[in-house]
Amino acid sequence: AQSVTQLGSHVSVSEGALVLLRCNYSSSVPPYLFWYVQYPNQGLQLLLKYTTGATLVKGINGFEAEFKKSETSFHLTKPSAHMSDAAEYFCAVSPQGAQKLVFGQGTRLTINP
Amino acid sequence: DGGITQSPKYLFRKEGQNVTLSCEQNLNHDAMYWYRQDPGQGLRLIYYSQIVNDFQKGDIAEGYSVSREKKESFPLTVTSAQKNPTAFYLCASSIFQGLSDTQYFGPGTRLTVL
Repeated sequence: AQSVTQLGSHVSVSEGALVLLRCNYSSSVPPYLFWYVQYPNQGLQLLLKYTTGATLVKGINGFEAEFKKSETSFHLTKPSAHMSDAAEYFCAVSPQGAQKLVFGQGTRLTINP
Repeated sequence: DGGITQSPKYLFRKEGQNVTLSCEQNLNHDAMYWYRQDPGQGLRLIYYSQIVNDFQKGDIAEGYSVSREKKESFPLTVTSAQKNPTAFYLCASSIFQGLSDTQYFGPGTRLTVL
């Protein structure tokens, strides 16, 4: 069965610093990969997704993620953090051909002024 | 505006009562999903439906029931058999194309059992 591991349930960075949120998945076949963001008491919003092709994926709000098959990873980065980036971030995988998403446990990002 | 609506936003229930959460979408999506979110556990799939009048159990279906009588509606009933129903419930929908479909989420319903 597919599983997703997000390293660090809570990450804190200073405003203007690099944001790095880690995601690893378990699968023998590369799945489709997603990053979602959730603001307090709201639903999830898609940041970006990887299906096939270019392994560096650019998303909204200046975020990007790189698919590394050899490392089974899909880490999320942003060069310069903004206060508005404070939220919870979820990595998710969808096995090819399946209609279900498997989510990681989430990483809460805090931005320090 | 196209989107997914969930109602109510907050719901309180006494133990032993069934309660139904509403989910409506006007995106013309074929597939709809219900997730449960608990702190530190991410989202877990309860039920999903790929077509009207058909639905499948997810990973934690016990104590829940659904119906899909219309394409735009996918209500979730939390029954008294659900032992720990207090949680944040999220509904989602997607175009069912069998590929890397993006799921779009509603704003959620927070259920509290008193």
